[in-house]
Amino acid sequence: EAGVAQSPRYKIIEKRQSVAFWCNPISGHATLYWYQQILGQGPKLLIQFQNNGVVDDSQLPKDRFSAERLKGVDSTLKIQPAKLEDSAVYLCASSLDWQATYEQYFGPGTRLTVT
Amino acid sequence: GDSVTQMEGPVTLSEEAFLTINCTYTATGYPSLFWYVQYPGEGLQLLLKATKADDKGSNKGFEATYRKETTSFHLEKGSVQVSDSAVYFCALSDNDYKLSFGAGTTVTVRA
Repeated sequence: EAGVAQSPRYKIIEKRQSVAFWCNPISGHATLYWYQQILGQGPKLLIQFQNNGVVDDSQLPKDRFSAERLKGVDSTLKIQPAKLEDSAVYLCASSLDWQATYEQYFGPGTRLTVT
Repeated sequence: GDSVTQMEGPVTLSEEAFLTINCTYTATGYPSLFWYVQYPGEGLQLLLKATKADDKGSNKGFEATYRKETTSFHLEKGSVQVSDSAVYFCALSDNDYKLSFGAGTTVTVRA
C-alpha cells in the first residue's frame, strides 16, 4: 500500500513570496490533516478535511494560509505572503475516518525555509 | 486546554540499556494516548496507543501504560538497539479527536 505522498520535500523562499505544498493521501482515506512542525516542537494541527469539506481550521492563520481538497483526494496548502516565522516542516497525514481509533498516517513532510 | 509534557532530550544511551521517556498530560475528558516515532529521514509513525485507563500499549519491545491517577503515559524499553535512535512524540486525543503532541524527545543509541 502506498503511503502519504508530499511534494516538494524542501523549499526555500524569501519573505513575502508565496509557496504551495501538495499532498496525496492514502487511497480511500476520508480524513486529511495538515500539520505545522516548528523546530524543537511537536506537530500542530492547521486544518482537517473530511472528504472535501473542512472540519477544523481553527488554528490556520487565514490571513495568509489557505488549503483545499478538491474531489476529496489530493490537497494543497498555500502560504501567501510568507513570513520568517513560517519556517517549519509541513506534514500531511490521512486516516480512514476522523475518530481517534483510526490511525493517522504521516507523509515525509515539506521543509520550508523562509529567508 | 489539552496538553502533553514530555521529558526533554536529548537522551543518549548505550546499546542494551533501559530506556524511559516520561510523558504527562492534561485533559478535560478521557483521552486516548499515543506514542509516535520519527526515524531519521522518515515520516511520523504510530508506535503504540492506549485508549483507556490501565491499558498497556506495546510494539517493537516498547511499552507504555495509561495511568489515570498520575496522568502519565511513560514509554519504556528494556534493551535498546542502535536502530531505536529516533525522535519520540507523546500525544493525546480528547473528545474532539484532535491529536495534541508533546515537543518530542531525541534518543540516540550508541553501539
